[in-house]
Amino acid sequence: GAGVSQTPSNKVTEKGKYVELRCDPISGHTALYWYRQSLGQGPEFLIYFQGTGAADDSGLPNDRFFAVRPEGSVSTLKIQRTERGDSAVYLCASSLIPVRGGELFFGEGSRLTVL
Amino acid sequence: DAKTTQPNSMESNEEEPVHLPCNHSTISGTDYIHWYRQLPSQGPEYVIHGLTSNVNNRMASLAIAEDRKSSTLILHRATLRDAAVYYCILRDSRSNFGNEKLTFGTGTRLTIIP
Repeated sequence: GAGVSQTPSNKVTEKGKYVELRCDPISGHTALYWYRQSLGQGPEFLIYFQGTGAADDSGLPNDRFFAVRPEGSVSTLKIQRTERGDSAVYLCASSLIPVRGGELFFGEGSRLTVL
Repeated sequence: DAKTTQPNSMESNEEEPVHLPCNHSTISGTDYIHWYRQLPSQGPEYVIHGLTSNVNNRMASLAIAEDRKSSTLILHRATLRDAAVYYCILRDSRSNFGNEKLTFGTGTRLTIIP
């Protein structure tokens, strides 16, 4: 597809379970970002990849959250031992060049509900 | 990143121009001004960005004050599809690998009245 693709679009899980969220960026985009958005708030930065490496993971809230991008394309956000407070929309974005001058293209997000 | 201040909400009539303000009094000389918008149940969408001069594109215009301490996003003729949350974001343009994120605030919720 032409845009950023995120799967699943909706995920309902129970407290304590493990969750993986997938992001397929626009082909050729070297930069990839994960954000989290709670109801009524703006997106909150989690982690940024340049190629395969995490260049900035300062937004990850704790060690239950981890993200990988092994081949510099698809990325997976992994959440261990989910808590009810993890419920949010998780957004992925990609860009062709670093965002200083270029625009970010966002997916529609994965809505995570932890019961 | 320097902070921006936007009104929580605004209303405008359909087919009229809309001026969305943003204050950024602590902006540095190397900060770009970015605008994104988020339609209901969608991810944010790039609108426009600029550094010093006013900018125009097919979606909107960006008017930047001479002292750069404020800017205004202008939608020339609002439609119902422009109802969204609009975010004004500053981003340092200096090459600083590893510091590329955009920091979103709560934005301005724009309601279009038919």
